Amino acid sequence: DTGVSQNPRHKITKRGQNVTFRCDPISEHNRLYWYRQTLGQGPEFLTYFQNEAQLEKSRLLSDRFSAERPKGSFSTLEIQRTEQGDSAMYLCASSFRGDSREQYFGPGTRLTVT
Amino acid sequence: GQNIDQPTEMTATEGAIVQINCTYQTSGFNGLFWYQQHAGEAPTFLSYNVLDGLEEKGRFSSFLSRSKGYSYLLLKELQMKDSASYLCAVRDQAAGNKLTFGGGTRVLVKP
Repeated sequence: DTGVSQNPRHKITKRGQNVTFRCDPISEHNRLYWYRQTLGQGPEFLTYFQNEAQLEKSRLLSDRFSAERPKGSFSTLEIQRTEQGDSAMYLCASSFRGDSREQYFGPGTRLTVT
Repeated sequence: GQNIDQPTEMTATEGAIVQINCTYQTSGFNGLFWYQQHAGEAPTFLSYNVLDGLEEKGRFSSFLSRSKGYSYLLLKELQMKDSASYLCAVRDQAAGNKLTFGGGTRVLVKP
């Protein structure tokens, strides 16, 4: 399978705990995006990387959220001191710079904070 | 900023046609995308418009008018498997080509 992969697919955690998600993009893609999606809503942009550089962060990304892409390949999204409002689907997408078409989405990580 | 509006829900009969409208306001328009998303799954690409006009791909067509900030997705010969959410998204060239999504239109196909 050469698509975008995300792990874990589901995560249940207690309020106040830290969680980390991983995204492996399509190998030749140099752009990687994180989105968050709540039930009944469209995905909301969180942040994006070009290679290892994080070039933009949404205002939605509070200081409890941090994302890295250390070698320009896989990326991690960490949420510290989780809150119930963090419960959502976290989607990763990748694209190749210069490609005029789509971003390819991974299957997502569904986070439930209890 | 960007604002994207699409209807929340639509119902149609198997074999019929449904048109999902999307209006948008954006500063750095660089293309409009339609994605299909089944419940609990990732969005999958359906169509892309960057110039005015109609793009046809099998049973699905998408139209764009940049001057009106308007697009529609046309689904023909509806099948039960077309029951899903359809997401309109605008790409912003000024921000790394990030996508800004509408809230999605849930289409229910009835027999």
